[in-house]
Amino acid sequence: DGGITQSPKYLFRKEGQNVTLSCEQNLNHDAMYWYRQDPGQGLRLIYYSQIVNDFQKGDIAEGYSVSREKKESFPLTVTSAQKNPTAFYLCASSIEAGGDTQYFGPGTRLTVL
Amino acid sequence: KNEVEQSPQNLTAQEGEFITINCSYSVGISALHWLQQHPGGGIVSLFMLSSGKKKHGRLIATINIQEKHSSLHITASHPRDSAVYICAVPFNSGNTPLVFGKGTRLSVIA
Repeated sequence: DGGITQSPKYLFRKEGQNVTLSCEQNLNHDAMYWYRQDPGQGLRLIYYSQIVNDFQKGDIAEGYSVSREKKESFPLTVTSAQKNPTAFYLCASSIEAGGDTQYFGPGTRLTVL
Repeated sequence: KNEVEQSPQNLTAQEGEFITINCSYSVGISALHWLQQHPGGGIVSLFMLSSGKKKHGRLIATINIQEKHSSLHITASHPRDSAVYICAVPFNSGNTPLVFGKGTRLSVIA
């Protein structure tokens, strides 16, 4: 089955630790995205990648880092510099960047204790 | 940057009612998206439309490009329609990532 997988579904970390969230897609999509969702707010773009080995910052990139070494994978690292990392993180992909239809993963709920 | 406003923020309806959710945006766009987020958090794309109207089952989406406004209608609503409905548009008039509204939380009561 084609789709996007994110793991784990729930993640707990101590304050000050870096944590990496996984996102894998087998849809052969060029573009991939990371969003953060907080209660009462819309999805906010953290980073996006239009092609392998290239990525751009979104609205709230501070405290996060990404890599795109393979077309299928776009991991997100939440660093200790992120002041309020507890949130629901969603990964998505689309055939091309821009206004194309996006396909979302199931999300990872990160709680920093 | 495109600004997206959705209304209402919350909506409770009785089963069978006709539902309307509205979305307005500030910058001209090539296409608008409607998405559905289930209580577990998963998001699915419902529609992408650039003009006129699209229909899928009991869902109908319309867009007025001149007025920068779109509506999502649900006919004969059912409790399984309970979800958050999200409107999204490109960041600006170019080929840019999407900007999302805050969503409309719909509860349909049997």
